[in-house]
Amino acid sequence: AQKVTQAQTEISVVEKEDVTLDCVYETRDTTYYLFWYKQPPSGELVFLIRRNSFDEQNEISGRYSWNFQKSTSSFNFTITASQVVDSAVYFCALQGGSEKLVFGKGTKLTVNP
Amino acid sequence: EAQVTQNPRYLITVTGKKLTVTCSQNMNHEYMSWYRQDPGLGLRQIYYSMNVEVTDKGDVPEGYKVSRKEKRNFPLILESPSPNQTSLYFCASSTPTGREYSPLHFGNGTRLTVT
Repeated sequence: AQKVTQAQTEISVVEKEDVTLDCVYETRDTTYYLFWYKQPPSGELVFLIRRNSFDEQNEISGRYSWNFQKSTSSFNFTITASQVVDSAVYFCALQGGSEKLVFGKGTKLTVNP
Repeated sequence: EAQVTQNPRYLITVTGKKLTVTCSQNMNHEYMSWYRQDPGLGLRQIYYSMNVEVTDKGDVPEGYKVSRKEKRNFPLILESPSPNQTSLYFCASSTPTGREYSPLHFGNGTRLTVT
């Protein structure tokens, strides 16, 4: 069975702080894909990143970075110098051989001015 | 513009009154899926469809029906809605190509309230 755990239910930081959102996954598939989605207060789901299981390179996109470690089954997301606009619920998700996308329960990030 | 369109955005109904939430995508995607989002539970899959006339149950299919008669449309049907189906619903689509899975494109959501 596939499972995604986001242990942090809610995080609150002050603007300009760095923040890391944790994601731990379980799967028996050797080929799988990991995703992060953002859900701002307006409610839509915005795709942020996809990573396949064969590519453990970390990725940086502006203030966002992702750390994928197969050894610990983790795919953590770091926001550097957070801004109020980063306030949202962030979902980590896993898609394996069944093609079904399994979501974590989400982490609500609040960035205070 | 590539998009997944859900209608309506908001719906208030009463117990037992059949309703349909429509979902349409213009990207020629084979794969479509419905999710419901509830506080503390994240997104849970209701039904999905790999292609026309091919549908299968997700994690929480009870009380829902779907159909996939055309590639672009994937309506969600609640034959007899109950208050525990009050939720935020998302339709999504993607294209599996070989070993690659394209990211899901989501609609803007339908907030359903059943009284």
